[in-house]
Amino acid sequence: GQNIDQPTEMTATEGAIVQINCTYQTSGFNGLFWYQQHAGEAPTFLSYNVLDGLEEKGRFSSFLSRSKGYSYLLLKELQMKDSASYLCAVRGRNSNSGYALNFGKGTSLLVTP
Amino acid sequence: GAVVSQHPSWVICKSGTSVKIECRSLDFQATTMFWYRQFPKQSLMLMATSNEGSKATYEQGVEKDKFLINHASLTLSTLTVTSAHPEDSSFYICSAMPGGSTDTQYFGPGTRLTVL
Repeated sequence: GQNIDQPTEMTATEGAIVQINCTYQTSGFNGLFWYQQHAGEAPTFLSYNVLDGLEEKGRFSSFLSRSKGYSYLLLKELQMKDSASYLCAVRGRNSNSGYALNFGKGTSLLVTP
Repeated sequence: GAVVSQHPSWVICKSGTSVKIECRSLDFQATTMFWYRQFPKQSLMLMATSNEGSKATYEQGVEKDKFLINHASLTLSTLTVTSAHPEDSSFYICSAMPGGSTDTQYFGPGTRLTVL
Protein backbone atom coordinates (compact mmCIF):
# COMPACT_ATOMS: atom_id res chain seq x y z
CA GLY A 1 0.00 0.00 0.00
CA GLN A 2 0.87 3.64 0.04
CA ASN A 3 1.44 5.97 2.97
CA ILE A 4 2.19 9.62 2.25
CA ASP A 5 2.63 12.21 4.98
CA GLN A 6 2.97 15.96 4.71
CA PRO A 7 2.14 18.82 7.09
CA THR A 8 -1.44 19.99 7.03
CA GLU A 9 -0.81 23.72 7.11
CA MET A 10 2.07 26.17 6.83
CA THR A 11 2.31 29.93 6.92
CA ALA A 12 5.10 32.04 5.45
CA THR A 13 5.79 35.66 4.64
CA GLU A 14 5.86 37.20 1.18
CA GLY A 15 9.41 37.17 -0.19
CA ALA A 16 10.56 34.40 2.13
CA ILE A 17 11.52 30.79 1.45
CA VAL A 18 9.42 27.83 2.57
CA GLN A 19 10.13 24.11 2.52
CA ILE A 20 7.28 21.60 2.44
CA ASN A 21 8.29 18.09 3.44
CA CYS A 22 6.81 14.80 2.33
CA THR A 23 7.59 11.32 3.58
CA TYR A 24 6.29 8.21 1.95
CA GLN A 25 6.19 4.45 2.08
CA THR A 26 5.38 2.62 -1.08
CA SER A 27 5.99 -0.58 -2.98
CA GLY A 28 7.50 -0.35 -6.42
CA PHE A 29 8.44 3.34 -6.25
CA ASN A 30 8.32 4.87 -9.71
CA GLY A 31 8.48 8.62 -9.20
CA LEU A 32 7.38 11.46 -6.94
CA PHE A 33 5.38 14.46 -8.08
CA TRP A 34 4.47 17.81 -6.59
CA TYR A 35 1.28 19.58 -7.63
CA GLN A 36 -0.21 22.95 -6.75
CA GLN A 37 -3.95 23.16 -6.27
CA HIS A 38 -5.96 26.32 -5.71
CA ALA A 39 -9.34 25.95 -4.04
CA GLY A 40 -11.99 24.60 -6.39
CA GLU A 41 -9.53 23.97 -9.20
CA ALA A 42 -7.72 20.93 -10.54
CA PRO A 43 -4.06 20.36 -9.63
CA THR A 44 -1.31 21.74 -11.79
CA PHE A 45 2.02 19.98 -12.22
CA LEU A 46 5.06 21.49 -10.49
CA SER A 47 7.82 18.92 -10.47
CA TYR A 48 8.82 15.32 -10.93
CA ASN A 49 11.66 13.37 -9.28
CA VAL A 50 12.56 9.79 -9.94
CA LEU A 51 16.29 9.89 -9.09
CA ASP A 52 17.89 11.18 -5.90
CA GLY A 53 18.80 14.82 -5.84
CA LEU A 54 17.51 18.29 -6.43
CA GLU A 55 15.49 19.44 -9.41
CA GLU A 56 15.31 23.19 -9.85
CA LYS A 57 12.70 24.99 -11.89
CA GLY A 58 12.61 28.72 -11.40
CA ARG A 59 11.34 29.63 -7.95
CA PHE A 60 10.45 26.01 -7.24
CA SER A 61 12.84 23.18 -6.41
CA SER A 62 12.12 19.61 -5.41
CA PHE A 63 14.41 17.15 -3.67
CA LEU A 64 14.20 13.38 -3.40
CA SER A 65 15.93 10.77 -1.27
CA ARG A 66 14.65 7.33 -2.20
CA SER A 67 16.53 5.57 0.58
CA LYS A 68 14.88 7.78 3.18
CA GLY A 69 11.47 7.90 1.51
CA TYR A 70 11.65 11.67 1.70
CA SER A 71 11.05 14.63 -0.54
CA TYR A 72 10.67 18.35 -0.13
CA LEU A 73 9.36 21.18 -2.24
CA LEU A 74 11.21 24.47 -1.84
CA LEU A 75 9.49 27.71 -2.79
CA LYS A 76 11.65 30.84 -3.01
CA GLU A 77 10.71 34.50 -3.19
CA LEU A 78 7.20 33.73 -2.08
CA GLN A 79 4.37 35.63 -3.68
CA MET A 80 0.81 36.05 -2.46
CA LYS A 81 -0.42 33.96 -5.38
CA ASP A 82 1.56 31.00 -4.02
CA SER A 83 -1.10 30.58 -1.35
CA ALA A 84 -2.53 27.19 -2.30
CA SER A 85 -2.52 23.55 -1.39
CA TYR A 86 0.62 21.62 -2.34
CA LEU A 87 0.14 17.95 -3.03
CA CYS A 88 2.86 15.34 -2.80
CA ALA A 89 2.05 12.34 -5.01
CA VAL A 90 3.91 9.07 -5.30
CA ARG A 91 3.68 6.62 -8.14
CA GLY A 92 3.92 3.07 -7.00
CA ARG A 93 2.37 -0.29 -7.54
CA ASN A 94 -1.28 -0.63 -6.59
CA SER A 95 -2.79 -4.04 -6.12
CA ASN A 96 -5.26 -3.47 -8.93
CA SER A 97 -3.91 -0.88 -11.27
CA GLY A 98 -0.27 -1.58 -11.89
CA TYR A 99 1.39 1.79 -11.48
CA ALA A 100 -0.83 4.56 -10.19
CA LEU A 101 -0.43 7.97 -8.63
CA ASN A 102 -1.41 8.30 -4.98
CA PHE A 103 -1.72 11.65 -3.32
CA GLY A 104 -0.94 12.91 0.14
CA LYS A 105 -3.55 15.01 1.89
CA GLY A 106 -1.88 18.21 0.81
CA THR A 107 -0.24 21.10 2.65
CA SER A 108 -2.23 24.29 2.74
CA LEU A 109 0.23 27.17 2.42
CA LEU A 110 -0.78 30.67 3.43
CA VAL A 111 1.48 33.51 2.31
CA THR A 112 1.06 36.66 4.36
CA PRO A 113 2.16 40.22 3.52
CA GLY B 1 0.88 22.14 -24.27
CA ALA B 2 -1.26 19.16 -23.44
CA VAL B 3 -4.85 20.07 -22.63
CA VAL B 4 -7.47 17.93 -20.97
CA SER B 5 -11.09 19.02 -20.83
CA GLN B 6 -13.98 17.81 -18.74
CA HIS B 7 -17.66 18.24 -19.35
CA PRO B 8 -19.72 19.33 -17.60
CA SER B 9 -17.77 21.55 -15.23
CA TRP B 10 -20.58 21.34 -12.71
CA VAL B 11 -23.83 19.45 -12.44
CA ILE B 12 -26.71 19.32 -9.99
CA CYS B 13 -28.99 16.32 -10.12
CA LYS B 14 -31.71 14.62 -8.14
CA SER B 15 -31.05 11.56 -6.05
CA GLY B 16 -31.51 8.37 -8.06
CA THR B 17 -30.54 9.80 -11.42
CA SER B 18 -27.40 8.98 -13.40
CA VAL B 19 -24.77 11.49 -14.42
CA LYS B 20 -22.18 11.12 -17.16
CA ILE B 21 -18.89 13.04 -17.04
CA GLU B 22 -16.64 13.26 -20.09
CA CYS B 23 -12.87 13.58 -20.09
CA ARG B 24 -11.14 14.48 -23.34
CA SER B 25 -7.52 14.90 -24.28
CA LEU B 26 -7.64 17.71 -26.82
CA ASP B 27 -4.24 17.63 -28.48
CA PHE B 28 -2.76 14.24 -27.69
CA GLN B 29 -3.76 10.61 -27.59
CA ALA B 30 -4.16 9.15 -24.14
CA THR B 31 -3.91 5.42 -23.79
CA THR B 32 -4.43 5.75 -20.06
CA MET B 33 -6.75 8.02 -18.14
CA PHE B 34 -7.32 8.19 -14.42
CA TRP B 35 -10.41 9.18 -12.48
CA TYR B 36 -10.08 10.81 -9.07
CA ARG B 37 -12.55 12.01 -6.50
CA GLN B 38 -11.90 14.78 -4.03
CA PHE B 39 -14.07 15.64 -1.05
CA PRO B 40 -13.82 19.11 0.50
CA LYS B 41 -10.49 19.75 2.19
CA GLN B 42 -9.30 16.24 1.41
CA SER B 43 -6.81 14.95 -1.07
CA LEU B 44 -7.46 13.33 -4.40
CA MET B 45 -8.41 9.70 -4.17
CA LEU B 46 -7.77 7.51 -7.18
CA MET B 47 -10.98 5.75 -8.18
CA ALA B 48 -9.95 3.84 -11.28
CA THR B 49 -7.55 3.55 -14.16
CA SER B 50 -9.09 3.63 -17.60
CA ASN B 51 -7.24 1.97 -20.46
CA GLU B 52 -8.34 2.50 -24.03
CA GLY B 53 -10.09 -0.52 -25.45
CA SER B 54 -10.14 -2.53 -22.24
CA LYS B 55 -11.99 -2.64 -18.95
CA ALA B 56 -11.14 -0.12 -16.28
CA THR B 57 -9.36 -1.28 -13.16
CA TYR B 58 -10.91 -0.02 -9.96
CA GLU B 59 -9.27 0.78 -6.65
CA GLN B 60 -10.30 -1.10 -3.56
CA GLY B 61 -13.59 0.13 -2.19
CA VAL B 62 -14.83 1.70 -5.43
CA GLU B 63 -18.00 0.08 -6.72
CA LYS B 64 -17.53 -0.71 -10.39
CA ASP B 65 -21.27 -1.10 -10.94
CA LYS B 66 -21.93 2.35 -9.54
CA PHE B 67 -19.10 4.19 -11.29
CA LEU B 68 -19.12 3.02 -14.89
CA ILE B 69 -16.04 3.91 -16.91
CA ASN B 70 -15.78 3.68 -20.67
CA HIS B 71 -12.59 4.53 -22.57
CA ALA B 72 -13.87 4.08 -26.08
CA SER B 73 -11.23 6.07 -27.93
CA LEU B 74 -7.73 7.43 -27.44
CA THR B 75 -9.11 10.87 -26.62
CA LEU B 76 -12.24 10.17 -24.59
CA SER B 77 -13.06 8.50 -21.31
CA THR B 78 -16.42 8.77 -19.58
CA LEU B 79 -17.42 8.24 -15.97
CA THR B 80 -21.08 7.56 -15.26
CA VAL B 81 -22.29 7.85 -11.69
CA THR B 82 -25.34 5.60 -11.62
CA SER B 83 -28.24 6.09 -9.21
CA ALA B 84 -26.49 9.02 -7.60
CA HIS B 85 -27.01 9.77 -3.93
CA PRO B 86 -26.08 12.84 -1.86
CA GLU B 87 -22.97 11.09 -0.55
CA ASP B 88 -21.69 10.96 -4.15
CA SER B 89 -21.50 14.74 -4.19
CA SER B 90 -17.85 15.50 -4.80
CA PHE B 91 -15.28 17.00 -7.14
CA TYR B 92 -14.43 14.49 -9.86
CA ILE B 93 -11.14 15.01 -11.71
CA CYS B 94 -9.69 13.08 -14.59
CA SER B 95 -6.12 12.97 -15.78
CA ALA B 96 -4.68 11.69 -19.01
CA MET B 97 -1.32 10.14 -19.76
CA PRO B 98 0.00 10.52 -23.30
CA GLY B 99 0.78 7.34 -25.15
CA GLY B 100 4.37 6.31 -24.53
CA SER B 101 4.71 8.52 -21.48
CA THR B 102 5.50 7.04 -18.11
CA ASP B 103 5.87 10.15 -16.01
CA THR B 104 3.38 12.76 -17.10
CA GLN B 105 -0.26 13.16 -16.25
CA TYR B 106 -2.31 16.12 -17.34
CA PHE B 107 -5.34 16.97 -15.26
CA GLY B 108 -8.72 18.12 -16.42
CA PRO B 109 -10.38 21.09 -14.71
CA GLY B 110 -12.71 18.87 -12.70
CA THR B 111 -16.46 18.40 -12.44
CA ARG B 112 -18.36 19.48 -9.36
CA LEU B 113 -21.26 17.07 -8.76
CA THR B 114 -24.02 17.97 -6.32
CA VAL B 115 -26.73 15.40 -5.69
CA LEU B 116 -29.85 16.74 -4.02
